[in-house]
Order: sequence, then C-alpha cells, then structure tokens
Amino acid sequence: GQQVMQIPQYQHVQEGEDFTTYCNSSTTLSNIQWYKQRPGGHPVFLIQLVKSGEVKKQKRLTFQFGEAKKNSSLHITATQTTDVGTYFCAGNGGSQGNLIFGKGTKLSVKP
Amino acid sequence: GAGVSQSPSNKVTEKGKDVELRCDPISGHTALYWYRQSLGQGLEFLIYFQGNSAPDKSGLPSDRFSAERTGGSVSTLTIQRTQQEDSAVYLCASSFGTILREQYFGPGTRLTVT
Repeated sequence: GQQVMQIPQYQHVQEGEDFTTYCNSSTTLSNIQWYKQRPGGHPVFLIQLVKSGEVKKQKRLTFQFGEAKKNSSLHITATQTTDVGTYFCAGNGGSQGNLIFGKGTKLSVKP
Repeated sequence: GAGVSQSPSNKVTEKGKDVELRCDPISGHTALYWYRQSLGQGLEFLIYFQGNSAPDKSGLPSDRFSAERTGGSVSTLTIQRTQQEDSAVYLCASSFGTILREQYFGPGTRLTVT
C-alpha cells in the first residue's frame, strides 16, 4: 500500500540554526499537507501543496513539493524555541479520501 | 467558532471491557476521520466518513474496532474487548470536503487499558 516516509525522526538544533525535514512517498501524490503538533497538543494544519514543483513560504518556513510529486520538504530558517514540536507530512494518492501520515520529525530547539 | 471536540479526554478501562469514544466535528464539515497515535508515534489512520457515502474502514486494525456517524455529524468509535495494545491517543479530525481540504483535529481521547 501507499507509504509516506519522513526523515529524520528526531532533530536537535541550537536556536538560530536551520532545520529541514523530508517526506518521501512510494507513489505519486495528488497533494501533500504539513501539520505541526506541539508537545501535549494535537496536529495543526500548516499548509497544503498541490502543484508539481510548488514552493510556498510562511515567514521562516519554506515548503516544497517535488517535480515528480513524490517528495516534499519543510525548511525552517533560524529556528526559535517556539518551533519546538513534531512536524508531520501527509499525502493523498488521489483515489481515496484519507491522508497517509508520515511518522513525523520531532524538533527540539536548545536556547 | 467551536472546534472539534472529543470526549472523554481521558479513559482508563480494564482489559476486556468495551469503550466508546465520541467526536463532535465542526458544524458543516462533511468529512470526519479517526486516527490513533501511540506514544511518540505518528498518526495511524483508522476510518474515514464522507457525507452519506460508505465509510472507508481500511485502517481499522481488527474487528473489535467499529465506528459510526449519526446524522452526518457526531461520530462514535467503539472498541470491544479492549487489549493493552489499544492504549493510545485517539484523535478525531474533520474537514469541509475531502482530500484537498485541511483537517481540523480535536484534542484527542487518551485511552489506557490496564
């Protein structure tokens, strides 16, 4: 079945350093969504990418969708302690209504 | 406006007992999802409802798990004869539409089976 792999599983950075998490699908995706889950909280939607090669920015966050629509990345510039949490990608293969979530990348930021 | 609500927030039950978890989606949202998240793990898809269509049950781990959605709104996830491995946080999400819509998650129900 469709799988969405996410790396790394954990990332520890010093405040001010950059951070990137990568998401890879075994199949072509119709869209990919990114969510953030703060410690003790629930996932919160960040963004959706639909088009091949799409790049979207939200302040210090940059999201990319690969040309083949099988991979995506989230890059955070100059991390802050408020960025702490687990970042999940979730993709849809197009034929079903459910999203397949990656296992997430847990980001910790040392002040 | 009101977000997705779930009840109870915490549930402790003995092995072998049945439990019911409730989800109230955002009003007007046609799609409703159930996920399971074990400690420190990702989200495991369980079941998906969209409007009046037959639910997608492909993620249910065993026949002890079932869910229904009444009147296109409130949903109940039932776990029969609970096992210790069922211990997890059960998250509900809703969206207005289907695959191209963002999902709004509830706070979850933490289930502990002793």
